[in-house]
Amino acid sequence: ILNVEQSPQSLHVQEGDSTNFTCSFPSSNFYALHWYRWETAKSPEALFVMTLNGDEKKKGRISATLNTKEGYSYLYIKGSQPEDSATYLCASLRIQGAQKLVFGQGTRLTINP
Amino acid sequence: DSGVTQTPKHLITATGQRVTLRCSPRSGDLSVYWYQQSLDQGLQFLIQYYNGEERAKGNILERFSAQQFPDLHSELNLSSLELGDSALYFCASRKSSGSENEQFFGPGTRLTVL
Repeated sequence: ILNVEQSPQSLHVQEGDSTNFTCSFPSSNFYALHWYRWETAKSPEALFVMTLNGDEKKKGRISATLNTKEGYSYLYIKGSQPEDSATYLCASLRIQGAQKLVFGQGTRLTINP
Repeated sequence: DSGVTQTPKHLITATGQRVTLRCSPRSGDLSVYWYQQSLDQGLQFLIQYYNGEERAKGNILERFSAQQFPDLHSELNLSSLELGDSALYFCASRKSSGSENEQFFGPGTRLTVL
C-alpha cells in the first residue's frame, strides 16, 4: 500500500450501537499513525497518536489499535452517541527524510438517534 | 479552541488575483503545516516550516509559496488564482520534537475564486 486508505467511506449507525472502521497505511518506514475527529464546520481535532506495534489507546468510549507490521489501525466506538457524528481521519507519518502526514479520505460517521 | 489562529476566515476573489493567508501557531510550537481541502478530496499536505525554515514540501503548486517569520507566524501566498484553487486551507502547528506529538489545526480559511 502506498497511500493511506480508510474504509468504509461512510457509515450510519444506530445510537447505542458499537462500530469500528479501518485505516490502512504503508508499513515500510513507519513512524507514527494519527487519528483525528473532524466535525462539520470545525477543524480536525487529534484523538490519538500511535507509534508502537500492538499499541492500544483509549479515550472514553473511543479506542484504537495499531498493527505496524501489516499496516492497519482500527478505531472503535462503543455505545455510539449523536455527538460522535463526524468524519474520522487517519494519517500516516513515515520516516522519509522530511516527515509529512499523509491523510486518508476519512470515514464519515452518522449516528441515528 | 486549538490555540491556532487563521485569518481571514473567508476570502472571495477573482481568477488571476493573488491572496495571502495568515496563520499563528500555538504558543511554543515551532512547526507550521499548511493543508488544502478541496471538494471531494481529503486533506492534502502543502508545505511545512520549522522555526523559519522550509522542512517538507507536498503537492504545492509553483503558484503557491509560503514563509514563516521570526515570530513563528506563517503566511501562504496564492497567486494567479484559478477556479480550482477554491478550497478550505488549514494550517496546523506542532511541537518540534517527538513522533508522539499531534498537530493542532486552526479553523481554516475558506477561499472562493470566482
